[in-house]
Amino acid sequence: KNEVEQSPQNLTAQEGEFITINCSYSVGISALHWLQQHPGGGIVSLFMLSSGKKKHGRLIATINIQEKHSSLHITASHPRDSAVYICAVPTNFGNEKLTFGTGTRLTIIP
Amino acid sequence: KAGVTQTPRYLIKTRGQQVTLSCSPISGHRSVSWYQQTPGQGLQFLFEYFSETQRNKGNFPGRFSGRQFSNSRSEMNVSTLELGDSALYLCASSPGAAGGSYNEQFFGPGTRLTVL
Repeated sequence: KNEVEQSPQNLTAQEGEFITINCSYSVGISALHWLQQHPGGGIVSLFMLSSGKKKHGRLIATINIQEKHSSLHITASHPRDSAVYICAVPTNFGNEKLTFGTGTRLTIIP
Repeated sequence: KAGVTQTPRYLIKTRGQQVTLSCSPISGHRSVSWYQQTPGQGLQFLFEYFSETQRNKGNFPGRFSGRQFSNSRSEMNVSTLELGDSALYLCASSPGAAGGSYNEQFFGPGTRLTVL
């Protein structure tokens, strides 16, 4: 069964700073998901990636399949980026169930 | 296109009661997954339905059940509620025939269940 670890658990930064959130998993996967959850509880899917790098606006996600590691980067961070960021991977390779990390709580101070 | 909708948004029940939560996926999406989120356990997979069939199930007791209708709308039911069932219940729909781990998940706003 896949074990997912995220770091850091909490991150506070000043507006404009470059942010990196890390996710490591133990079992080979087909794809990794990055999710964003705002204080109201709603979850938005940011990325689903299986190799390389994806970019959407100020958000960049990278994955290294060999090292079983993914990073989520936020450039020019803004207070509206304050949220919990969660990575999720299949419970086992080829499995359709997702196992979630515990999340990284990001706070951006103006 | 309308997003995923969940009803009700908030619910208060007492121990021993049962509850039914509803999820309407994005039009055209045939896969619906349910998740439970608690402060202690985080997000956990409950089950996934595709074309009215339960395709995957998480590690939850039999008190948790669900179903999917021909229009892809899904319901989940929790019987004999316990205090520990207090949680945010989220559903997500995804396009395509592959399961949730292979497709982008579109989440609903969740139903916050409080068990007293």
